[in-house]
Amino acid sequence: EAQVTQNPRYLITVTGKKLTVTCSQNMNHEYMSWYRQDPGLGLRQIYYSMNVEVTDKGDVPEGYKVSRKEKRNFPLILESPSPNQTSLYFCASSLTPRDRFLYGYTFGSGTRLTVV
Amino acid sequence: AQSVAQPEDQVNVAEGNPLTVKCTYSVSGNPYLFWYVQYPNRGLQFLLKYITGDNLVKGSYGFEAEFNKSQTSFHLKKPSALVSDSALYFCKGGYNKLIFGAGTRLAVHP
Repeated sequence: EAQVTQNPRYLITVTGKKLTVTCSQNMNHEYMSWYRQDPGLGLRQIYYSMNVEVTDKGDVPEGYKVSRKEKRNFPLILESPSPNQTSLYFCASSLTPRDRFLYGYTFGSGTRLTVV
Repeated sequence: AQSVAQPEDQVNVAEGNPLTVKCTYSVSGNPYLFWYVQYPNRGLQFLLKYITGDNLVKGSYGFEAEFNKSQTSFHLKKPSALVSDSALYFCKGGYNKLIFGAGTRLAVHP
């Protein structure tokens, strides 16, 4: 089944403890992106990747890192999480960067992160 | 700067009645417009899109949306709402960058 898989689905952590949220897609998609969803703010883009080894900041990149060493994987790294990073996170992908305009995204099921 | 607005935080509709979820945009150039639906504990699912062509776009689950260039709107509609349509709906749009609206929670009551 073609899908975007995120892990974990739920995570509670403490301030300052490094964590990684994994994202993997099995559709050979070039473009991948991370969003955070907060009430009243919709989805805001954190980072995106046009292809392997190419990553760029989105609208809210502070406090986050990403890497794209392989085409299928796009992990989101929080080096020192803080309570303001408590949110619902989504990974999304499209076959090509252009396809996100023509066909939209395939989304993962989300990761609910709580930082205490 | 581009923007996408969903002016209603929540829309309440009785089952069987028509529903409308509003979306307006501010985009320089011809916009790409999408609607997504999010059910509880699920990711966003694509409903429909407008790129060019007919102003009335039909999508999944009986939803449709009307592109209105003069009013810069792309409202989501359904002729007869179901309780199972209750979910969070997001409009997304833009020209060289795609932006999500804040989301509208649709509650369909029996």
